[in-house]
Amino acid sequence: NAGVMQNPRHLVRRRGQEARLRCSPVKGHSHVYWYRQLPEEGLKFMVYLQKENIIDESGMPKERFSAEFPKEGPSILRIQQVVRGDSAAYFCASSPETFLWEKLFFGSGTQLSVL
Amino acid sequence: KNEVEQSPQNLTAQEGEFITINCSYSVGISALHWLQQHPGGGIVSLFMLSSGKKKHGRLIATINIQEKHSSLHITASHPRDSAVYICAGHMEYGNKLVFGAGTILRVKS
Repeated sequence: NAGVMQNPRHLVRRRGQEARLRCSPVKGHSHVYWYRQLPEEGLKFMVYLQKENIIDESGMPKERFSAEFPKEGPSILRIQQVVRGDSAAYFCASSPETFLWEKLFFGSGTQLSVL
Repeated sequence: KNEVEQSPQNLTAQEGEFITINCSYSVGISALHWLQQHPGGGIVSLFMLSSGKKKHGRLIATINIQEKHSSLHITASHPRDSAVYICAGHMEYGNKLVFGAGTILRVKS
């Protein structure tokens, strides 16, 4: 589990504010995945990115949510105009290449609380 | 119907007991992950299985491709094994995981 860094660990926002969640993958990993865990629910896939490309965003809500993984720097999950229903734990995972699923590492998550 | 079904939902065991958590999955899943999530939220990948059996310390994971069923076993359970264990299926097409609801394991000393 070493190497995937997520920050902040906890994020508190008021309704209508923006939330920016950061994920630095394991060094050398070019694939990043974001998952959301709503209270009392299981993990759900949100988006899969490679460097500078969104590969699969089928799990992302259509509005207010966006993700990027720039050439330099961490992957960012951005939630605009947050609502109480966005309160959840957001996890990032990384892998070095497609299908090398033995080497999937998760971050510790960001707990987002919307007041 | 969820693509990955886990049982039991909750499990309480006495220290030293042998524990089994089960996972059934649907067509379209090519491999299975077993994950461990401790209080506080961090997730650790324990195993990835596409066939057969894997062992790591006191943990054993098996998968039956024909029956689309996997089990996670913990031998000589210990209170530090208390966690949520999650089965996750790797979709055959598209590079994403679908998750079971998790099994909350509590091992009492």
